[in-house]
Amino acid sequence: EAGVVQSPRYKIIEKKQPVAFWCNPISGHNTLYWYRQNLGQGPELLIRYENEEAVDDSQLPKDRFSAERLKGVDSTLKIQPAELGDSAVYLCASSSETFLSTDTQYFGPGTRLTVL
Amino acid sequence: AQSVTQLDSHVSVSEGTPVLLRCNYSSSYSPSLFWYVQHPNKGLQLLLKYTSAATLVKGINGFEAEFKKSETSFHLTKPSAHMSDAAEYFCVVSALTNSGYALNFGKGTSLLVTP
Repeated sequence: EAGVVQSPRYKIIEKKQPVAFWCNPISGHNTLYWYRQNLGQGPELLIRYENEEAVDDSQLPKDRFSAERLKGVDSTLKIQPAELGDSAVYLCASSSETFLSTDTQYFGPGTRLTVL
Repeated sequence: AQSVTQLDSHVSVSEGTPVLLRCNYSSSYSPSLFWYVQHPNKGLQLLLKYTSAATLVKGINGFEAEFKKSETSFHLTKPSAHMSDAAEYFCVVSALTNSGYALNFGKGTSLLVTP
């Protein structure tokens, strides 16, 4: 079974430039998550989707970050414009979790973003 | 709020000796707890999870963890360390929010295994 796929694996941009990350979850997983992991820290949730609906985006900095999950499968996370503090690893995860039950989240390899 | 505290940021063991990575949790109800491992430049991999069944949970690669409610602990152990165990380990608690369950990660423990 294929795991969670993310691209690109690495991205280097200058500040104020836009950047986008793509995630393809495990087939059949209805729930998709985007996390940000700063150096030396654990991942922190940015946004959670159940199918096409963003059910928790309370931690997403909406002034510069946006996300979409068209058709309830692949997802894209965008930053525009990027700031120096956005340098981090962006992780995508998926699960077959529902509102009423927790399930294992499977993580992709992440995209390491460096903003210069 | 549900949270975890990993008591050691770095642990160093010799190959073949036991591993102990410590984690304390805080939860207002019976929590679901996880240990994830992250090897350099790789994704997070689930080692094991506790969901209120047996208090001693066995995971992959010889790891296990024991849920101790009286001590609010969920320490990760392995009898004999292998060089390939060197990685970052995260203790995680599942927290119920208004929009469903969310994972709260600890800050991680970096395990170094020396020959």
